[in-house]
Amino acid sequence: EPEVTQTPSHQVTQMGQEVILRCVPISNHLYFYWYRQILGQKVEFLVSFYNNEISEKSEIFDDQFSVERPDGSNFTLKIRSTKLEDSAMYFCASSRRGVRETQYFGPGTRLLVL
Amino acid sequence: DAKTTQPTSMDCAEGRAANLPCNHSTISGNEYVYWYRQIHSQGPQYIIHGLKNNETNEMASLIITEDRKSSTLILPHATLRDTAVYYCIVRTALRGGSEKLVFGKGTKLTVNP
Repeated sequence: EPEVTQTPSHQVTQMGQEVILRCVPISNHLYFYWYRQILGQKVEFLVSFYNNEISEKSEIFDDQFSVERPDGSNFTLKIRSTKLEDSAMYFCASSRRGVRETQYFGPGTRLLVL
Repeated sequence: DAKTTQPTSMDCAEGRAANLPCNHSTISGNEYVYWYRQIHSQGPQYIIHGLKNNETNEMASLIITEDRKSSTLILPHATLRDTAVYYCIVRTALRGGSEKLVFGKGTKLTVNP
């Protein structure tokens, strides 16, 4: 069964450093998403992406964040200058279409900013 | 914000049915109800979804009331591996044709031996 994969599983970085989190969505999916979950808190929507454009982003997704689909298989989330409060699990998800299509999640990347 | 209300926690004996309720009294006519679960800190796992008819798949059954204001997820024979946080989500449409999932706090289901 196709799965969403994410790398790395864990990332430790120093405050102010740039990090790139990588995702490989399910191959025939066209819509891509990033969510995050701070320890002990709810899963929060960050951004949706379709046709090489951001469809929607949340208030959390400020200028420090960017997303990219650099090739036909990868979908990345970049944090330019990490802050302590960026420490969280980051989940990538994908769906075949946007509306009323099931989103399938990857296993997540645990990001720790020191 | 989340449009659903769920109990904070529930317990179930292994081998018994687990019935997880969800209230979504403000749901509109074309909004689907989705259920996901999250085991420890893993990625949310899709379980089932429905609009107005009851649904069943290999993981669970979903019973939606006739007025669509509430639903119940049923795990027919709960196992220890079903211990997880279960989220009931009403899909929220975005511009551009995509939809975001708005997660609440969910129900922490503990299956006991």
